[in-house]
Amino acid sequence: DAKTTQPNSMESNEEEPVHLPCNHSTISGTDYIHWYRQLPSQGPEYVIHGLTSNVNNRMASLAIAEDRKSSTLILHRATLRDAAVYYCIRENNNAGNMLTFGGGTRLMVKP
Amino acid sequence: DSGVTQTPKHLITATGQRVTLRCSPRSGDLSVYWYQQSLDQGLQFLIQYYNGEERAKGNILERFSAQQFPDLHSELNLSSLELGDSALYFCASSVGGSNTEAFFGQGTRLTVV
Repeated sequence: DAKTTQPNSMESNEEEPVHLPCNHSTISGTDYIHWYRQLPSQGPEYVIHGLTSNVNNRMASLAIAEDRKSSTLILHRATLRDAAVYYCIRENNNAGNMLTFGGGTRLMVKP
Repeated sequence: DSGVTQTPKHLITATGQRVTLRCSPRSGDLSVYWYQQSLDQGLQFLIQYYNGEERAKGNILERFSAQQFPDLHSELNLSSLELGDSALYFCASSVGGSNTEAFFGQGTRLTVV
């Protein structure tokens, strides 16, 4: 089961940091955690992924708990363009590395 | 621009008909994934191909089929269409294997009337 659990929605103020949580308590040792986002009327867009260590890129940071049962996507300064649905996905290594999307978190950014 | 091209962008067809959706992956990507997104179901994984062979299968109906050709483009065939098949169909590609990112196309919006 590649299930992850995320809050349905979150709100943030523009230019403030946002922490998007995700629980993946049944994750196996070799499954990567991926984050994608989907802006309105667009296809999903890769944000970041990691296995055990915290990861940073130009878009965001990913903090993975030591027991790997949860992770947090961090947007350091939210902008209006970051309003989207954010998906936390456990990559299923036993099934061709497919990405199983859950319901995601709808992030609303207030000016 | 993700580099993944899907055609057509929009498709309107009648119930009972058959359509083909096409996907050209990013240059160098061997893996192609198909997803269906409807309002009440979210993003549902349908099927994955890797270098021409089926790698994983998700919630794909028997009326649907797909294939990946030697030039690595992929086609998703939907037949005996029903109103409930109306959805956005996304294709994604990746180099394949774990620890890689997938790139999604802009989708094909299928409307069955």
